[in-house]
Order: sequence, then C-alpha cells, then structure tokens
Amino acid sequence: EVQLLESGGGLVQPGGSLRLSCAASGFTFSNYAMSWVRQAPGKGLEWVSAISGSGGSTYYADSVKGRFTISRDNSKNTLYLQMNSLRAEDTAVYYCAKGYYTSSSLSWFDPWGQGSLVTVSS
Amino acid sequence: ERVMTQSPATLSVSPGDRATLSCRASQSVSSNLAWYQQKPGQAPRLLIYGASTRATGIPARFSGSGSGTEFTLTISSLQSEDFAVYYCQQYDTRPGTFGQGTKLEIK
Repeated sequence: EVQLLESGGGLVQPGGSLRLSCAASGFTFSNYAMSWVRQAPGKGLEWVSAISGSGGSTYYADSVKGRFTISRDNSKNTLYLQMNSLRAEDTAVYYCAKGYYTSSSLSWFDPWGQGSLVTVSS
Repeated sequence: ERVMTQSPATLSVSPGDRATLSCRASQSVSSNLAWYQQKPGQAPRLLIYGASTRATGIPARFSGSGSGTEFTLTISSLQSEDFAVYYCQQYDTRPGTFGQGTKLEIK
C-alpha cells in the first residue's frame, strides 16, 4: 500500500523557518515526481512546489519562490520542504502528494499524505 | 496561469439523486483535468484523471466528462458518504491550479 506521512509542522513566528518531511512507502520513490500542496484554514487547495524523481528539477509557485526549497533523499524515501522567511499567509495544512510521472511536475496527485499544520503567528 | 472556476459553490441534493458539478478553465487544458473529493479533516482523494478516467477503487457512480475549457463531474445516485467538497485541478500548464471547490450538501 502506498503511504505518505508528513511531519515537522508546528507554530513558528513570522520570519522564522521550518522544515517539513514526508516519509514515503509502498512504491519505488525515485520513480515519481512529488509535490507539496497546501490548504489555508477554511480555504481551497494551492500547489506549492514539485520535484522530479531524480531531484534534478524543481518547481515553485510564485508565492513561495525564493523562500521555500524542495528536496528529496531517495535513499531514505523522504521528501522535504524547507520553509524560510515565513509569513502569516503561509499558515496552512501542507500535504505531500505523489505524482504520476517521473520527471514532470504536471500531474494529478495520488495519494496524498494526511497533512501537517504550519501556523505562522507571533 | 490557468484559472479554474467551479460552480455552484454549494449544491444541495437529496440522497439517491444525481449531482452535476461544473469546472471551467480560463484557457484550454485539453483533457488534463482531475477531480478530488475532500471530507472534513481528511486529505483530498483522487476520483478522476484525464477528465474521464476513474481512479483505482472509485465507484462507477462517479463519472467525468468534458475537454478544453468545460468539464463536469457527475455522481449518479448520491450516497451518504458522497457529501463532501469537490475540487477540480488542471495539470496542463504550470502552475497546476485548482478550482475553489464545490460543497455538496444534503438537501
């Protein structure tokens, strides 16, 4: 069974940093692009970032470009999202999600992790 | 950026009836469209990809149609577990974008 388990969320002050992790199991992790998608409280879904299966290509939404960094460790079957210079508007549940293709960030997502809540507040 | 617009925002339907949800793209996304179901406190679940292909394990009462800019998700006979929020997503052009969601509630 394919499973994704996020961790690392929590409360952080504006301007602070946080690193999310997503542990994957049940599939050959390096064969698939992975993404982060977030959902602000009571709001809809927003794609944040994606990375190819090899880790050689990364993609970001304009809203996080220059502040967030996506990476992966295929030896550990783990996806990461390093979030710096956090703002109140970054408050959201962050989901990791498996893409269908190896290289392209453009894909439907299946499955999704259970999500990790990031709250940016003083 | 492709803007995805879903309608209606809220749809009230009785169990056993048919529900029709719409998603419109600001520019053509070909058939590169997915539908997701999200229940409170849960992650989204993939229902449909390629505009009309059901994901593994999705009941046949869920069907998708459309191409280009107009898409429809139809639930043929609503079950109690189908009341949730539904999102469409285009993956034709970066960034992949989602609609704002349609809340399907019990009438």
